[in-house]
Amino acid sequence: GQNIDQPTEMTATEGAIVQINCTYQTSGFNGLFWYQQHAGEAPTFLSYNVLDGLEEKGRFSSFLSRSKGYSYLLLKELQMKDSASYLCAVIDSGYALNFGKGTSLLVTP
Amino acid sequence: IAGITQAPTSQILAAGRRMTLRCTQDMRHNAMYWYRQDLGLGLRLIHYSNTAGTTGKGEVPDGYSVSRANTDDFPLTLASAVPSQTSVYFCASSESGGGAADTQYFGPGTRLTVL
Repeated sequence: GQNIDQPTEMTATEGAIVQINCTYQTSGFNGLFWYQQHAGEAPTFLSYNVLDGLEEKGRFSSFLSRSKGYSYLLLKELQMKDSASYLCAVIDSGYALNFGKGTSLLVTP
Repeated sequence: IAGITQAPTSQILAAGRRMTLRCTQDMRHNAMYWYRQDLGLGLRLIHYSNTAGTTGKGEVPDGYSVSRANTDDFPLTLASAVPSQTSVYFCASSESGGGAADTQYFGPGTRLTVL
């Protein structure tokens, strides 16, 4: 099995920067994904990391440290539409994603 | 291009009834998946298929069955529904079941209530 931990809830202010952490313990590792899910909608892909380091994609960046079993998603210049759940998921056996329970982010004016 | 479609969008079902949730993708992806999402538990894998003609069990397969007769369709069947199967069900697909750099794309979901 896998253990994937992320904070349940976070609140941040519009225009600010927020970092959502994810720690994992797995028997194997083939990559880590971040997904965004708005209420009542399907998860949508944000980022993928398989090597250590930072991957930047516009306002969103994702970091991975395999030795520490740690990742974070960094959201810059927060907008109200960024209020959503952010799901960390790890793939080890190669057939499916194993998801954390998600972090619900509320962006306030 | 529709991507992944699921039907029905929502359903209320009496306990003991049989129900099939439909999932169709038009991206010619090899791999398909079924997840359920419950408050406080996150997304959990029910069944998967790495290619047409093959299926496998995920984390929570009991009470569910799947088939993969062709590339595009991956129906999920509840043979005799129970209230604990009340959930939101998501179908997903990816180019392959290989894992690395294998992004999964999700359908819009089916909200199922079993009474």
